[in-house]
Amino acid sequence: NAGVTQTPKFRILKIGQSMTLQCAQDMNHNYMYWYRQDPGMGLKLIYYSVGAGITDKGEVPNGYNVSRSTTEDFPLRLELAAPSQTSVYFCASSGQSNQPQHFGDGTRLSIL
Amino acid sequence: KQEVTQIPAALSVPEGENLVLNCSFTDSAIYNLQWFRQDPGKGLTSLLLIQSSQREQTSGRLNASLDKSSGRSTLYIAASQPGDSATYLCAVRPTAGAGSYQLTFGKGTKLSVIP
Repeated sequence: NAGVTQTPKFRILKIGQSMTLQCAQDMNHNYMYWYRQDPGMGLKLIYYSVGAGITDKGEVPNGYNVSRSTTEDFPLRLELAAPSQTSVYFCASSGQSNQPQHFGDGTRLSIL
Repeated sequence: KQEVTQIPAALSVPEGENLVLNCSFTDSAIYNLQWFRQDPGKGLTSLLLIQSSQREQTSGRLNASLDKSSGRSTLYIAASQPGDSATYLCAVRPTAGAGSYQLTFGKGTKLSVIP
């Protein structure tokens, strides 16, 4: 019953550092998504993928990159961390695009 | 651009009360609408998904309705319990086409059920 697993749960970065947020799902879902949630704001879509090898930008992609080499994994890469990227990041997946999205517990990222 | 509004931002009710949470959206050209629950420090849990052709969905004590023409959805919670305390979010998905995978979320209603 793992569902969507995100690692790490917490991380503090210095400005200019890079890191990869990991996301894995064990439900054989084709669709995967990355969101960020800022205090008092709704979730914003960063990137999404409709299947292995296929990714596309969401509403707020700047400063991020993704890859989807397998159905299970959808890592999010921050190349040059900036304070504006301090947020809670959620990964989600769905079997079909019109089915409910299942979310991980999030990665809380602070950039100082 | 689609905007989703949830009012009130916070709600406190005594245990056992029936309650309604509201969600409104500006563009009625939606594919579906989803209600989520978010507990502190956790991810979102999908509660109900209503396709654009449907009027309502029910799951246990929860009932969600959709009125596309007026741009409104409600989440009805019957016989509220302290365990229902959480933030409730609604999100709309636009019709097929560019950006159709992009859910637009409201900011949520924080519900507290007092024992």
